[in-house]
Order: sequence, then structure tokens, then C-alpha cells
Amino acid sequence: QVQLQESGPGLVKPSETLSLTCGVSGYSISSGYYWGWIRQPPGKGLEWIGSIYHGETTYYNPSLKSRVTISVDTSKNQFSLKLTSVTAADTAVYFCARHSITSAVTYWGQGTLVTVSS
Amino acid sequence: QSALTQPPSASGSPGQSVTISCTGTSSDVGGYNYVSWYQQHPGKAPKLMIYEVNKRPSGVPDRFSGSKSGNTASLTVSGLQAEDEADYYCSSYAGGNNLNVFGTGTKVTVL
Repeated sequence: QVQLQESGPGLVKPSETLSLTCGVSGYSISSGYYWGWIRQPPGKGLEWIGSIYHGETTYYNPSLKSRVTISVDTSKNQFSLKLTSVTAADTAVYFCARHSITSAVTYWGQGTLVTVSS
Repeated sequence: QSALTQPPSASGSPGQSVTISCTGTSSDVGGYNYVSWYQQHPGKAPKLMIYEVNKRPSGVPDRFSGSKSGNTASLTVSGLQAEDEADYYCSSYAGGNNLNVFGTGTKVTVL
């Protein structure tokens, strides 16, 4: 059974960098599929942030592309998100996920709330 | 990229059917048969209910069905049950490096 688990700080100061990691069990991330990040501001809808394929090819939401970096650590079977220059608008529950090229997300992490505040 | 458009709310009595629309453009919904639908209960991660317009993952009841016409996709929930009360989101592949665009979300209420 594939399982994903987000980890990282729950509070980030404005203008700083948000960093999250997603640990994967039950499947080797180097074996295929897309591994990505999706966020949901409190009381609002879902927004795709970006994804990585085969540990090297990255795809980013055009509206966030200048601030986002997604990377993989195959030795630890995990992937990470960095979002720079955060503001209050980046406060959200961040989900890590596995999806296919057809965009269907079959596995989700439980989500982690990140609040941007001084 | 703009979010796909969904009605904010929909409702029906137990046993009835409800249909949710998801309108995009020829660059996303209309351009590919890669529309997915998710169910999200409060405080939970979304759950995939439909993929590739009308395919159901294993374990999803056949009360859930999907379709598409032009730039608009639809999710129909037949035989509404109390546990179907949730938020529903559509998503679509949007081509090139734009892997995923989500809809604005629809809250389904079972009366």
C-alpha cells in the first residue's frame, strides 16, 4: 500500500522560504509516476503547485514557477518542496501526492497546515 | 492558468441524483480526455472518484459517473446517500508543462 507523509515547519515568517518533505512508503519514487504538491488555503479550493517525474523532470504551475523548486532524494525515497518569498497568501494545507500523466491523483498525503505569519 | 468553473453548491434528497458541471477551455477540459473528479470531506484529503472523464477507480460505487461535452465535464451522483455530502473538485490536464488545473469546487448537500 502506497503511503505519503508530509513533514516540515507549521509556521513560516513572511519573505522566508517554506520547505516541506514528503516521505513515501510502499513504492519506489524512482520507479515511475509523477510526484507532486497541491495546496488548499483555509476554506478555499485546491491548487496544483508542481510535480517531478523520474527524479529530474519538473513541472510547475505557471503562476508559482518563479518561486517553486521540487526535488527528489531517491536514497531516502522522498521528495521536497521549496517555496520562496512567502506571504500570507501562501498559508494553506499542503498535500503531497502521486499522479499519472493524465493528472489523476491516486494517492494523497494527509496534508500539513503551513501558516505564514510573523 | 485559470481555475475550471464549477457551481458553488448543489443539493438533492436521499435517493435523488445531482449533477455538477466543470467548465474549462479548449486548452484543458476540451482538449484532452483527462478530466478527474475528487470528493473531499472536511479535514480530509481528497479522494479520486473519476478519472479520464468516465472511469471509476476500484472501490468507487457505480452511483458516480462522469461525462464530457466540449469544454464542459460533468459528474453525476445517482441514488444520493448521506455520506455523499462533501466538496467535489474537478481537475484537468492542461497540456505541455501545465499538468493539472483544478475546479473551483462544489459543495454537495444531501437534504
